[in-house]
Amino acid sequence: SQTIHQWPATLVQPVGSPLSLECTVEGTSNPNLYWYRQAAGRGLQLLFYSVGIGQISSEVPQNLSASRPQDRQFILSSKKLLLSDSGFYLCAWIGGTSGGRETQYFGPGTRLLVL
Amino acid sequence: GESVGLHLPTLSVQEGDNSIINCAYSNSASDYFIWYKQESGKGPQFIIDIRSNMDKRQGQRVTVLLNKTVKHLSLQIAATQPGDSAVYFCAENQGYNFNKFYFGSGTKLNVKP
Repeated sequence: SQTIHQWPATLVQPVGSPLSLECTVEGTSNPNLYWYRQAAGRGLQLLFYSVGIGQISSEVPQNLSASRPQDRQFILSSKKLLLSDSGFYLCAWIGGTSGGRETQYFGPGTRLLVL
Repeated sequence: GESVGLHLPTLSVQEGDNSIINCAYSNSASDYFIWYKQESGKGPQFIIDIRSNMDKRQGQRVTVLLNKTVKHLSLQIAATQPGDSAVYFCAENQGYNFNKFYFGSGTKLNVKP
């Protein structure tokens, strides 16, 4: 079965510090991978998605970036964090067809607090 | 952009009652919908999905209804339990752009014992 991992689970970082969040998927190959951000009590904002190694689509201009160095690894980065970067970051993948359509599944999330 | 919204931000129900959570979507080209459950501090969990060629789909204690005429879907939870307390999201997807899912802001379900 497929599994998606995210780490760290929780992170407290000072403003201006760098960021690296990692997401890995097991049990599948060539998945579409996604990074979302969720502000407290709000919906999901799509940040980046990737359909393959080295292929990144950015949805929202900001000081974050994403990379996909391996087939099942997706990394979210920042050179200098802002207070507004605080939130719950979710990695997701598409796969596991349901009724002929591929469904999106989420990882456990990383809670980031920028102080 | 796409718009998927929920009618009620918070729903409180008594344990054992049935719950109905609603969702409206704006893109008539959307042909695939998912309901997720998100518990506090956790990632969204897939509950049930439905394609636009169906009006109703049932799972274990859950039913999703789709009304394409008014672009509305609902999630019905039978015999709601305390463990059902969570935020519920709907998501939509279009076949011509299957890489992207669009999410509503969520409804918080409170189950009173």
